[in-house]
Amino acid sequence: DSGVTQTPKHLITATGQRVTLRCSPRSGDLSVYWYQQSLDQGLQFLIQYYNGEERAKGNILERFSAQQFPDLHSELNLSSLELGDSALYFCASSVRGWTEAFFGQGTRLTVV
Amino acid sequence: GENVEQHPSTLSVQEGDSAVIKCTYSDSASNYFPWYKQELGKGPQLIIDIRSNVGEKKDQRIAVTLNKTAKHFSLHITETQPEDSAVYFCAASYPGTGTASKLTFGTGTRLQVTL
Repeated sequence: DSGVTQTPKHLITATGQRVTLRCSPRSGDLSVYWYQQSLDQGLQFLIQYYNGEERAKGNILERFSAQQFPDLHSELNLSSLELGDSALYFCASSVRGWTEAFFGQGTRLTVV
Repeated sequence: GENVEQHPSTLSVQEGDSAVIKCTYSDSASNYFPWYKQELGKGPQLIIDIRSNVGEKKDQRIAVTLNKTAKHFSLHITETQPEDSAVYFCAASYPGTGTASKLTFGTGTRLQVTL
């Protein structure tokens, strides 16, 4: 158990809908990262937050947004969902940037 | 941006043999290189990492080597066991601004250890 908690584990939704994925980092970790894992794209970095502020951005679609709250948990919002958004979404946390990052178990999103 | 290439994509070894997975990176500013193991249905698990000021690091049956000049790093697993079967990912991280950070991952190697 990495100490990073993601909910829900599975999510099935229809195209055009909006979902929210939640992540609780390890105790003491200030950085949260979101990654998307699909069969043909591997692990793709989406976005990083550090202590509530956005710090780094990857190829995150405009339909996707995230935030980190004062209690350090983070949410990834995915809207206007398309079939191609079906993937595993992972959250990871670390004490700060450039230190070991630990991953949660992921949320499997299926868009039908 | 950073680009990480990983080879081979699949690797089959007999129990007890060694396995080697190789990665190359493009950004010479990258200075942190972790390796993750992902089992079916689970999240990536950090198994070992190395920083650019170190050439080699070992942890029991696992070792990682780094060649900064050639911009490549490798994972070595000795005395492989069936429980080593998984997908292994290498990654590289470069200095961002202040606390900014991101890991760029390789495409993964599916390791199968046969009896």
